[in-house]
Amino acid sequence: GAGVSQTPSNKVTEKGKYVELRCDPISGHTALYWYRQSLGQGPEFLIYFQGTGAADDSGLPNDRFFAVRPEGSVSTLKIQRTERGDSAVYLCASSPLDSSYNEQFFGPGTRLTVL
Amino acid sequence: AQKVTQAQTEISVVEKEDVTLDCVYETRDTTYYLFWYKQPPSGELVFLIRRNSFDEQNEISGRYSWNFQKSTSSFNFTITASQVVDSAVYFCALSEVNGAGKSTFGDGTTLTVKP
Repeated sequence: GAGVSQTPSNKVTEKGKYVELRCDPISGHTALYWYRQSLGQGPEFLIYFQGTGAADDSGLPNDRFFAVRPEGSVSTLKIQRTERGDSAVYLCASSPLDSSYNEQFFGPGTRLTVL
Repeated sequence: AQKVTQAQTEISVVEKEDVTLDCVYETRDTTYYLFWYKQPPSGELVFLIRRNSFDEQNEISGRYSWNFQKSTSSFNFTITASQVVDSAVYFCALSEVNGAGKSTFGDGTTLTVKP
């Protein structure tokens, strides 16, 4: 079956611009997670959705970052007024349940470069 | 706060050698889950193994085995008879039972298996 997909695979933008990153989770997975991975580091948690609601957004670095999941499936991570420090790979993962027991299924990521 | 440390940044072995990847974690919870993920050059993280904090029995699954020791907060992962296809970045991750699947990752160990 189809795995988690993310678009675009690469995004280059200029400092100060607005970007949207999209995640299509595995069909039927209720839990969706966003992580950010900088070069040489592990994924860093950003936000988690259970259904349509953001159950935990404690990892969002500041109010320039926002994410939605309006219909409980596709999610969009939005970054306003991008800064060079936002450059990273943004990973999306989904899981059948919001249980700590369940492994997460990761997408290929979106590589964001802010010039 | 939880923390995962992978002290080995890079490991290089020759094919057919056994290799052990170290992972040390910190958490205040008594119930938690530990994971190992593999990130091949293609970039997509793939789940490998899971262990819950109540089960310290070490297991073997094919060429993979793991050694969980709660007393030392370690969750080491061994690949026996390594193959070139095992070359990847390996991440250890921790999920607290009340964290709804939100995972804390180590910074990864890059494993290179040479033919």
